[in-house]
Amino acid sequence: GIQVEQSPPDLILQEGANSTLRCNFSDSVNNLQWFHQNPWGQLINLFYIPSGTKQNGRLSATTVATERYSLLYISSSQTTDSGVYFCAVFIMNSGYSTLTFGKGTMLLVSP
Amino acid sequence: EAGVAQSPRYKIIEKRQSVAFWCNPISGHATLYWYQQILGQGPKLLIQFQNNGVVDDSQLPKDRFSAERLKGVDSTLKIQPAKLEDSAVYLCASSPSWDRRPPTTIYFGEGSWLTVV
Repeated sequence: GIQVEQSPPDLILQEGANSTLRCNFSDSVNNLQWFHQNPWGQLINLFYIPSGTKQNGRLSATTVATERYSLLYISSSQTTDSGVYFCAVFIMNSGYSTLTFGKGTMLLVSP
Repeated sequence: EAGVAQSPRYKIIEKRQSVAFWCNPISGHATLYWYQQILGQGPKLLIQFQNNGVVDDSQLPKDRFSAERLKGVDSTLKIQPAKLEDSAVYLCASSPSWDRRPPTTIYFGEGSWLTVV
């Protein structure tokens, strides 16, 4: 099956710093999503981004499908950005799609 | 719009006991997923339903796990008998169904936290 690798596995930032999270995937994908899992375990959709660049406030994401990677940028980080960031890819199989997650990047933003 | 509802939120059981988790997806969503998330890892798909039919259960340990989705709406995931390694968060998710195209988004519930002692 497809492999989804995220880096770095852990990241510690001072409030106000910028960061880049990376997601590599081993095969062509039909869709890619970034999620934030808060300390209470809730997974929140950040971006649906099969290709190109999207921005939402201090967060932006870029997917280069031909080179099989995606990047999540966090600017001017805040303590509320802490949590685990997951990249997940959709693969079509016999008429339905399956979502496969990476292992995540754990982010801690300190005041 | 109401989100994906799961219950119970927390459960502690002894090994070899049984447990059941319930999920009510977002109204109108045809696809329902059960994921298992072990501490420190990403969610792993256990089973995926399209309406009330199973489309993928390749990673479901069928000797102890079972799931059903009656009438294509809510779903139940059961573990019997539980093992220590089943301690995890069980996440239910749902998405709209798009004919032969991936959904543009998927919505997760808050999860059911299971501890097996």
